Amino acid sequence: GAVVSQHPSWVICKSGTSVKIECRSLDFQATTMFWYRQFPKQSLMLMATSNEGSKATYEQGVEKDKFLINHASLTLSTLTVTSAHPEDSSFYICSATRDRGTNTEAFFGQGTRLTVV
Amino acid sequence: DAKTTQPPSMDCAEGRAANLPCNHSTISGNEYVYWYRQIHSQGPQYIIHGLKNNETNEMASLIITEDRKSSTLILPHATLRDTAVYYCIVISTGANNLFFGTGTRLTVIP
Repeated sequence: GAVVSQHPSWVICKSGTSVKIECRSLDFQATTMFWYRQFPKQSLMLMATSNEGSKATYEQGVEKDKFLINHASLTLSTLTVTSAHPEDSSFYICSATRDRGTNTEAFFGQGTRLTVV
Repeated sequence: DAKTTQPPSMDCAEGRAANLPCNHSTISGNEYVYWYRQIHSQGPQYIIHGLKNNETNEMASLIITEDRKSSTLILPHATLRDTAVYYCIVISTGANNLFFGTGTRLTVIP
């Protein structure tokens, strides 16, 4: 079945540094990729929608200069957390969709636990 | 904004059927109902989806009302490993956003 791979699964970084998270669709070309952030005991919060070859669409309240999204190919999207601070510590999840006729399927990565110290 | 509402939590005895409801009263004709579950510190795992007919697979059954305004996910024989947060979402063709509601935290009790 379709698989979305997210890397790394966890990362610890120092305050002020940048961290890049990769999201790959392994055996299909993703129409769209989504990035989420999830705080403990809360639901997934959509941060941005990413389409290959175009600028990402950010949800209200999400700083596009802080959370840089690059979607250079149909199988890879990256999220870079720039100048990370402790409040950016969270669980980040990506999703990739695939269109099958009238049905659009969504597949999720395993998530990345970011801890900023 | 999420287009689904679910009860925040439910308990189910091990071995019994777990019935998780979802309301999606504003669903439109081209939107499918998808169910995922999330176990702590993992990404959401696909369970089942449907458009208007009831569906069944090796994991669960999905019952969608005739007016499509609500659905129920059924885990026929809940086990302790089914303890998770279950999300019901609607996905349209060529979705350009994918919002999650609060989900239902299912606790299977021994």
